[in-house]
Amino acid sequence: GESVGLHLPTLSVQEGDNSIINCAYSNSASDYFIWYKQESGKGPQFIIDIRSNMDKRQGQRVTVLLNKTVKHLSLQIAATQPGDSAVYFCAENSRDYKLSFGAGTTVTVRA
Amino acid sequence: DTAVSQTPKYLVTQMGNDKSIKCEQNLGHDTMYWYKQDSKKFLKIMFSYNNKELIINETVPNRFSPKSPDKAHLNLHINSLELGDSAVYFCASSRDSNYGYTFGSGTRLTVV
Repeated sequence: GESVGLHLPTLSVQEGDNSIINCAYSNSASDYFIWYKQESGKGPQFIIDIRSNMDKRQGQRVTVLLNKTVKHLSLQIAATQPGDSAVYFCAENSRDYKLSFGAGTTVTVRA
Repeated sequence: DTAVSQTPKYLVTQMGNDKSIKCEQNLGHDTMYWYKQDSKKFLKIMFSYNNKELIINETVPNRFSPKSPDKAHLNLHINSLELGDSAVYFCASSRDSNYGYTFGSGTRLTVV
């Protein structure tokens, strides 16, 4: 079946550096994409989203890029902080009442 | 106020028992969901409800029975618990199918 996947299961980054987390999706019908952050013992928390009519969207310290041609999504975190340590999920929405999640990337920030 | 709240947060029970997890949202959303997160952190949809009606049942064993008494509540009852049911269960809600989901903090179920 079709699924949303992440390229790397883990990412270690130095505090203050920029982080890039990648995601590949396969459902061509998906037109809405979301990045979630999950800290230990908590539920997934919305970070930023993007619809298919855009290729870039910026938030506070985060940027999401969407390349529909190659079905690729990325999350960039600027000036990574210790509080950014978490598992990050990309999710795709094809309006079928079942947001599909990738396997997640565990980000560890080194002091 | 917690937007999506689920209880209990932890649940330890023996094989064969029946247990329930409750979920409530105060966001005024029309759609609610149950997700299961396994030990590898993979999140998988179990059920979707829209305006109290079942929309999605993602090949979940019929030992799992969701119930939505109203739009703000979606409970999950599990019969004859098995070891493989051990996981973290998340409730979520959304305005409709075209919006992001808000998740609860999860219920860690351990079957022994």
